[in-house]
Amino acid sequence: EADIYQTPRYLVIGTGKKITLECSQTMGHDKMYWYQQDPGMELHLIHYSYGVNSTEKGDLSSESTVSRIRTEHFPLTLESARPSHTSQYLCASSPTGSNYGYTFGSGTRLTVV
Amino acid sequence: AQSVSQHNHHVILSEAASLELGCNYSYGGTVNLFWYVQYPGQHLQLLLKYFSGDPLVKGIKGFEAEFIKSKFSFNLRKPSVQWSDTAEYFCAVKPLNTDKLIFGTGTRLQVFP
Repeated sequence: EADIYQTPRYLVIGTGKKITLECSQTMGHDKMYWYQQDPGMELHLIHYSYGVNSTEKGDLSSESTVSRIRTEHFPLTLESARPSHTSQYLCASSPTGSNYGYTFGSGTRLTVV
Repeated sequence: AQSVSQHNHHVILSEAASLELGCNYSYGGTVNLFWYVQYPGQHLQLLLKYFSGDPLVKGIKGFEAEFIKSKFSFNLRKPSVQWSDTAEYFCAVKPLNTDKLIFGTGTRLQVFP
């Protein structure tokens, strides 16, 4: 059972709406990540954070933004959703140190109509 | 740019058949290597990982992987698959000078009884 939680699990929303995808972890991990996953494609890193008040853009350009006000919480926001944002968004976390993999949440499947 | 290649996009096997999924990466430095599995409707789970030492690593559910440094490969194997192994398998690499996981495109495995 993963100790990282993403809500909502599924979201269908109209173009132009503002949305926030929630991600919380209870493991006290300093590092958190957002990946975008499309069918048949690799996971692309879009945002990451190494701790409170630290956020960085990932390798794939994204119009979304993130914040890290608390260690356990790493929400992702789209100010104005578009159909091109339709995808699965995966949140992950890891402890400090190089010898760790990531723990993933269940993902949010977003559809913008 | 660093990349991970999984050459088998879709593999179909009968129960008890042997499995080998290929994974190659392009990065000249030291890396940590991972295999993740995503069962239908579930989150990504760590199957096994390699950091150092014995290049043959054993993971959960009878899976193993062998790191061959000269070939930049980390192939996943299982001697006898079960129907419950039906899932998507992702190879991932983490160069030691970064905390970011780089994923392959995944291999969809279907096992028929």
